[in-house]
Amino acid sequence: KNEVEQSPQNLTAQEGEFITINCSYSVGISALHWLQQHPGGGIVSLFMLSSGKKKHGRLIATINIQEKHSSLHITASHPRDSAVYICAAAPAYNTDKLIFGTGTRLQVFP
Amino acid sequence: EAEVAQSPRYKITEKSQAVAFWCDPISGHATLYWYRQILGQGPELLVQFQDESVVDDSQLPKDRFSAERLKGVDSTLKIQPAELGDSAMYLCASSFSGSSGYTFGSGTRLTVV
Repeated sequence: KNEVEQSPQNLTAQEGEFITINCSYSVGISALHWLQQHPGGGIVSLFMLSSGKKKHGRLIATINIQEKHSSLHITASHPRDSAVYICAAAPAYNTDKLIFGTGTRLQVFP
Repeated sequence: EAEVAQSPRYKITEKSQAVAFWCDPISGHATLYWYRQILGQGPELLVQFQDESVVDDSQLPKDRFSAERLKGVDSTLKIQPAELGDSAMYLCASSFSGSSGYTFGSGTRLTVV
């Protein structure tokens, strides 16, 4: 079993829909990262959080430390949000390391 | 905004040839990472540097892969000889410290034919 698991693996949506991507992890963490990767592109860091909730534009990330679970929400989704979203955990035993999930491929259609 | 620079952006090479990738991290970032990402999977750490020293290269196939960061600034990852299974995206990332977040480069997409 992977230490970081994401669901769903693939997600399609119509423009304007509210999107939720989930991430569960089994290790104690110092931080949880949400990353975005467009097709053929590099990775962009969206959020780094260790508690509570963060918001940036239409993106919201939440984390529940007790349940070892994080969610990424996209409000009013747009075709330009189409990308792979990756959850990565920085384990407490080594804060310079990242354990990556396999990603959620999101496609938003107009 | 500061970026992690990687080159080349794309590379096609024949199997058994040598190939090299270059990464220039954000100025002041002591930690530099090389990751390999096979299509449809998450990134896998190949090597981690702290300044010029290797901190973790446990997943680096040392029979054919080598990495260096001689002056503790930019870094080169080399594959010799390349194999078909090496086709992947090679990502470089840097951080001031793990708790300060990471910045990723745009990656080098390698195709071995």
